[in-house]
Amino acid sequence: GQQLNQSPQSMFIQEGEDVSMNCTSSSIFNTWLWYKQEPGEGPVLLIALYKAGELTSNGRLTAQFGITRKDSFLNISASIPSDVGIYFCAGHVTSGTYKYIFGTGTRLKVLA
Amino acid sequence: NAGVTQTPKFRVLKTGQSMTLLCAQDMNHEYMYWYRQDPGMGLRLIHYSVGEGTTAKGEVPDGYNVSRLKKQNFLLGLESAAPSQTSVYFCASSYPRGSSTDTQYFGPGTRLTVL
Repeated sequence: GQQLNQSPQSMFIQEGEDVSMNCTSSSIFNTWLWYKQEPGEGPVLLIALYKAGELTSNGRLTAQFGITRKDSFLNISASIPSDVGIYFCAGHVTSGTYKYIFGTGTRLKVLA
Repeated sequence: NAGVTQTPKFRVLKTGQSMTLLCAQDMNHEYMYWYRQDPGMGLRLIHYSVGEGTTAKGEVPDGYNVSRLKKQNFLLGLESAAPSQTSVYFCASSYPRGSSTDTQYFGPGTRLTVL
């Protein structure tokens, strides 16, 4: 099925560094969602975005809804070891469709 | 408020056996989904439901059946399990009506192994 392009695929970072990742689509979305998934667990919703240009924070996480509505960005500031996991985005067109399109995921590993 | 719950968490089946996975949500969401997640494949939609009493096929429906007799529950059935159905199964629910409410929440997953 269709997947969104997410980059980077994986990254090693030092504790305390800032992290950036993004998701791009060929389609326009009304909603962007960002999730984190840890080993053996289900995806946990981190941030939801509903408006082009919107910038939303959740603690050290900040996400933005791209102005073209075809991309979204997630930043993590001052990373800590518990940030380890897979982060992925999901896009959705709210009018009349059931399907959320998911990104390929960014695997984050933090070096203490 | 438990969100989305799934039972069981783990299961091992022999080829040809049947089982039912149960998903429950307490958020009064209209839409519910069953996904499978396999290494390198991402989340693939098996079946979904847009309301009580309705179900529809997703991308990979073969070998699975679903039922949504109550709004809060969504059942996934495997009639005759095959090794290719070894996977992690996630249930999700959403309320996609309009801006500022469109969210999708996932359950903790069921890890199924078919021998």
